[in-house]
Amino acid sequence: QKEVEQNSGPLSVPEGAIASLNCTYSDRGSQSFFWYRQYSGKSPELIMSIYSNGDKEDGRFTAQLNKASQYVSLLIRDSQPSDSATYLCAVNSPNSNSGYALNFGKGTSLLVTP
Amino acid sequence: SQTIHQWPATLVQPVGSPLSLECTVEGTSNPNLYWYRQAAGRGLQLLFYSVGIGQISSEVPQNLSASRPQDRQFILSSKKLLLSDSGFYLCAWSEGTTNEKLFFGSGTQLSVL
Repeated sequence: QKEVEQNSGPLSVPEGAIASLNCTYSDRGSQSFFWYRQYSGKSPELIMSIYSNGDKEDGRFTAQLNKASQYVSLLIRDSQPSDSATYLCAVNSPNSNSGYALNFGKGTSLLVTP
Repeated sequence: SQTIHQWPATLVQPVGSPLSLECTVEGTSNPNLYWYRQAAGRGLQLLFYSVGIGQISSEVPQNLSASRPQDRQFILSSKKLLLSDSGFYLCAWSEGTTNEKLFFGSGTQLSVL
C-alpha cells in the first residue's frame, strides 16, 4: 500500500505568522507532488505542484521537496484567517494499469487566529 | 478554459435504492477521469479512473460501478446503496501526461439512510 502521511492537526498559528505543513510518502517511484486546499464542505483546490528537489515559490506559498527523505512540505507566509482550511498532500505514483492517479494524505487542518 | 460539472450537489437516498452521479468536462479532449470518495476521517479514496471511452479501472472492491459512455462524461452508479456508501463523492479530471494535475468538480454529498 502506497502511503501518504500527514499530521491531522489542527495546526493553529496567529495571523501574520508562517504556517508549516508536512507530508511524507512511501513510494520512492513517485514523480509529482501536489498541495490542495479544501474548505469545509467544498472540493479540493490545487494550490501548488512540485516535481524536483528544492523549493518552489508562488506568492505566499512555498513548496519544498526532498526525494531522498521522501518528504514534501508547504510553507504559508503571512498567514491570513482565510487560509484556515484543510491542506491535502497528494503524490503521483505510476499505476500498473496505466493512468496516473493521485494518492492523497488525510489532510492537515490549519486554523489561523486573528 | 476547462470546466468540470458534477451533479447533484446533495443527495439523500434510502438503503437499497439505486444511484447515478454524473460528471462532464468541457474544454478538453480525451481527459483522464476519476471518481474519488471522501468519508469522514478517512481522506480521499480513489474509486475508479478512466483513460478513454469504455475503459474503466476499479481501485477497490465495492457495490459501485462506473461508466464512460462519451469522451467527457463519467458516471458513477450503484444498483443498491449501502449505509457505508455515504460520503462526499468527487469527480476529477487530468491531462493524459505523467505529471498530472488533478482538477475536481464541486462534489456530491451523499447520505444513505
